[in-house]
Amino acid sequence: DAKTTQPTSMDCAEGRAANLPCNHSTISGNEYVYWYRQIHSQGPQYIIHGLKNNETNEMASLIITEDRKSSTLILPHATLRDTAVYYCIVRVHNQGGKLIFGQGTELSVKP
Amino acid sequence: EAGVVQSPRYKIIEKKQPVAFWCNPISGHNTLYWYRQNLGQGPELLIRYENEEAVDDSQLPKDRFSAERLKGVDSTLKIQPAELGDSAVYLCASSLDLLRGGELFFGEGSRLTVL
Repeated sequence: DAKTTQPTSMDCAEGRAANLPCNHSTISGNEYVYWYRQIHSQGPQYIIHGLKNNETNEMASLIITEDRKSSTLILPHATLRDTAVYYCIVRVHNQGGKLIFGQGTELSVKP
Repeated sequence: EAGVVQSPRYKIIEKKQPVAFWCNPISGHNTLYWYRQNLGQGPELLIRYENEEAVDDSQLPKDRFSAERLKGVDSTLKIQPAELGDSAVYLCASSLDLLRGGELFFGEGSRLTVL
């Protein structure tokens, strides 16, 4: 079973920041948080991942709370092409590191 | 650098027919995964290979599904015979060192429709 909880859907205005929350209250100390997104009819695309510290790359920022029980993916300036399903995943360390996907959040960026 | 390559992209068959999907992972990636994604759901892991060894096939329906990864490079997933409920997208992914914080790279998927 997935170890994360995400809202089913969210809307965001084009050009604004999209903040996607994720709860992972049962996360263990050595388990990473991964974010992937899936645009319609494509395979999932890696966005970012982190363990304890906040992370930033050219696509997004990942904010992990100090207790690590939740995180937020931030797309700083959402565009229409960011419309996709976003998956927050806790990588299960004791199962060879496999990624167990949940239902994800369907983000709609509107003009 | 080429990504994960899958074929065919689309396949339509009648129930009880066999079907096979092929995956070529990113060069040098020792770990290969097959996922199945039903409509409106997240991907579900079917099998994971470390080189040529299947190390996690607990979710693979072994009565009709089989997979192989000869020589530890490309892989084939087979369904025989296919059932209506097998209609889904079959995704292949590969990684180099997931346990050390690496990432999974996915292919575009093979969409199966069973009539």
